[in-house]
Amino acid sequence: GQNIDQPTEMTATEGAIVQINCTYQTSGFNGLFWYQQHAGEAPTFLSYNVLDGLEEKGRFSSFLSRSKGYSYLLLKELQMKDSASYLCAPLDSNYQLIWGAGTKLIIKP
Amino acid sequence: IAGITQAPTSQILAAGRRMTLRCTQDMRHNAMYWYRQDLGLGLRLIHYSNTAGTTGKGEVPDGYSVSRANTDDFPLTLASAVPSQTSVYFCASSDSIAGGPTDTQYFGPGTRLTVL
Repeated sequence: GQNIDQPTEMTATEGAIVQINCTYQTSGFNGLFWYQQHAGEAPTFLSYNVLDGLEEKGRFSSFLSRSKGYSYLLLKELQMKDSASYLCAPLDSNYQLIWGAGTKLIIKP
Repeated sequence: IAGITQAPTSQILAAGRRMTLRCTQDMRHNAMYWYRQDLGLGLRLIHYSNTAGTTGKGEVPDGYSVSRANTDDFPLTLASAVPSQTSVYFCASSDSIAGGPTDTQYFGPGTRLTVL
């Protein structure tokens, strides 16, 4: 079957760095997306990885290891506005996104 | 450019009533999707359309129907609403389904539906 595993909730301090891990099992693989979702709002696209390695985009970076079925999202210089849920979503062989329940990130001053 | 719009923003509906949720995109994207999101669960795909004129069933299609008469519009219909269909519904679109960055899905603001 297809499965996504992310921590349910994480807490971090403003200005710090946090790493949100995601492990996945899918039928086929065509890349992995990370989305951010603030409470009461729609998900918004953060990053896409298809090759192994780190993709950096400003304060956010995303890493992928296809052989391990593993990805992480790294958030640096945390700001209060980064309090949100972070959704890991691999793209399967049918080009469908497989969604986990997401990780709720709480930022404390 | 509006992106994707959904209507209504929220709705309270009596069980047994018929309801259509509207979704329109102005990005000329080929693929469109309907998801529901319930507390503690991930997004679940209801129906999708890879291109105008075609539709497919997702993970939870029962009780829902869709049509894709043109590129821009993708309405979702609940033929006879039941309380278990209380949820937040998101419409999304992507440029293509090619297995690359063009598969990035962009979401509408959502419709919060309560069935009593």
